[in-house]
Amino acid sequence: GQQLNQSPQSMFIQEGEDVSMNCTSSSIFNTWLWYKQDPGEGPVLLIALYKAGELTSNGRLTAQFGITRKDSFLNISASIPSDVGIYFCAGPLGYYGGSQGNLIFGKGTKLSVKP
Amino acid sequence: SQTIHQWPATLVQPVGSPLSLECTVEGTSNPNLYWYRQAAGRGLQLLFYSVGIGQISSEVPQNLSASRPQDRQFILSSKKLLLSDSGFYLCAWGGQGLQPQHFGDGTRLSIL
Repeated sequence: GQQLNQSPQSMFIQEGEDVSMNCTSSSIFNTWLWYKQDPGEGPVLLIALYKAGELTSNGRLTAQFGITRKDSFLNISASIPSDVGIYFCAGPLGYYGGSQGNLIFGKGTKLSVKP
Repeated sequence: SQTIHQWPATLVQPVGSPLSLECTVEGTSNPNLYWYRQAAGRGLQLLFYSVGIGQISSEVPQNLSASRPQDRQFILSSKKLLLSDSGFYLCAWGGQGLQPQHFGDGTRLSIL
């Protein structure tokens, strides 16, 4: 079945450093989604990618849809304390997601930032 | 714009008591609705999803049930809670196909 492998599991970085995380799959995805979850809150959509090779930015965040369609990357530049949280990648279950729109999620990358 | 509301935000219940968590969505019609459970702040487990009123699909056999009495209302229930039902419950709405899902703020459920 479809699985998303997200790495690293956790990161401890200094404020101001850049961050890179990635998500890989053994099967092809048509969409890649990146979410951030602050402690005690629900995940919030950061970036949605719909085309292989696509590079999309949202402020200091940049995400890329891998050319093979089996991976995606999220980069955060010049990290700040409010970047702390868990970052999840996700993609549609099944090739087109189906009418139910079910998603499969990675297990998350927990980011800690030292001031 | 669309908004999603979940309540309560936190809940402490004794083992064996019933449960009812509610989720409502505004600003959209006929959304797909989802219930997830998240243990220990990591990993989202899909519990139920619904593509329309009265239509519920269960992903994981368990002590919980879901209902969708109105188009934009999704309820998670249990007749008798177990200790293992503790966790962070998230409701989400989304469109069909490749549309992203959008999450509520969650309910922290503790079973004593």
